Amino acid sequence: AQTVTQSQPEMSVQEAETVTLSCTYDTSENNYYLFWYKQPPSRQMILVIRQEAYKQQNATENRFSVNFQKAAKSFSLKISDSQLGDTAMYFCAFMKHDFPQAGTALIFGKGTTLSVSS
Amino acid sequence: DGGITQSPKYLFRKEGQNVTLSCEQNLNHDAMYWYRQDPGQGLRLIYYSQIVNDFQKGDIAEGYSVSREKKESFPLTVTSAQKNPTAFYLCASSTGRQAMNYGYTFGSGTRLTVV
Repeated sequence: AQTVTQSQPEMSVQEAETVTLSCTYDTSENNYYLFWYKQPPSRQMILVIRQEAYKQQNATENRFSVNFQKAAKSFSLKISDSQLGDTAMYFCAFMKHDFPQAGTALIFGKGTTLSVSS
Repeated sequence: DGGITQSPKYLFRKEGQNVTLSCEQNLNHDAMYWYRQDPGQGLRLIYYSQIVNDFQKGDIAEGYSVSREKKESFPLTVTSAQKNPTAFYLCASSTGRQAMNYGYTFGSGTRLTVV
């Protein structure tokens, strides 16, 4: 069974600074997908960034980037130029490649609460 | 606009009562999921369904039941057998390719409180 571990329950950062959230996972699969989701106080789940395991290049979305280390089974999220609106809980999630199955379960870590202050 | 609707937003239940949480989607997604969120526990999978009239247990299915009579609907019943039902419940949906590229589409959740 796959597991996802986020070792930082809470983190804080000042506006405009850079912060890195950690995530490790355990799997015997070779082909899979990794995601970071953001859950602001509204509790709506928002996809931040996604990485395909067979791609070595790290994914980037504007101020958000990942450091994907497949051999180490590590998938950290870097937020650059932090903004007050980045305050949220962040979840790392794993999905095995099971296409064309429609129902491939996302496995989530326990989350990291990020607070951005001015 | 397409999306997932969960209702109600807040729900109160007396101990010993069954209660049903609604989840409806108009995205034409084949798969639907129910997750439970507790502080410090992340999201844990309760049940999921890949197709109409079929569903599978997730990691914490005890005390819950579901049905999938229509593609658009995946209601979750919290039974009196669930010992600690107070939590935030999230419904989600996906298709195979959409799931790989974008993960799931989530509803806005239902907060269930036992009083």
